[in-house]
Amino acid sequence: GQSLEQPSEVTAVEGAIVQINCTYQTSGFYGLSWYQQHDGGAPTFLSYNALDGLEETGRFSSFLSRSDSYGYLLLQELQMKDSASYFCAVRAAGNKLTFGGGTRVLVKP
Amino acid sequence: DAGVIQSPRHEVTEMGQEVTLRCKPISGHNSLFWYRQTMMRGLELLIYFNNNVPIDDSGMPEDRFSAKMPNASFSTLKIQPSEPRDSAVYFCASSFGGSSYEQYFGPGTRLTVT
Repeated sequence: GQSLEQPSEVTAVEGAIVQINCTYQTSGFYGLSWYQQHDGGAPTFLSYNALDGLEETGRFSSFLSRSDSYGYLLLQELQMKDSASYFCAVRAAGNKLTFGGGTRVLVKP
Repeated sequence: DAGVIQSPRHEVTEMGQEVTLRCKPISGHNSLFWYRQTMMRGLELLIYFNNNVPIDDSGMPEDRFSAKMPNASFSTLKIQPSEPRDSAVYFCASSFGGSSYEQYFGPGTRLTVT
């Protein structure tokens, strides 16, 4: 089976940088996805890492280290609208995703 | 495209009643996923289909739950009989081909069983 761990909550101020870590244990691994979910909304796809290294998409970046079974999502130049829950998800054998418990990010003025 | 469409958006029912949730995936997507989200258990995969065929239903909680996908543009998740512990938000998501890492979620159905 799969298990993922990520912090439950992170608080930061506007303009700051936040790093959300995700460690995983899985039998079979294809890659790590990140999703954002605002309160009352649906998860939306942010990024995917299949290979080691950093992927940058605007203010958000995602990193993967397969050897360490570890990844992170980096949120830069935080804005109030970034207040949401962020989920890492492992893509493993069977072409499905297993989601972590989510990290609630609170951005303060 | 309209995105993934789910209905109803909210459902309130009494324990013991049958509940049917509906989903229309994005046109051209051939994988469809049903999830349940609660505060206690997070986002759980219930079942997923590939080309209308159920591939993995290991997340379906028990026999009270069933899912069908009669064609590429429609799927249902049925709970019969419903119980209060089934109260949750149910999401349907779709993806194209082998890119299950990028799933498009519908707005969800908030189910309350009293």
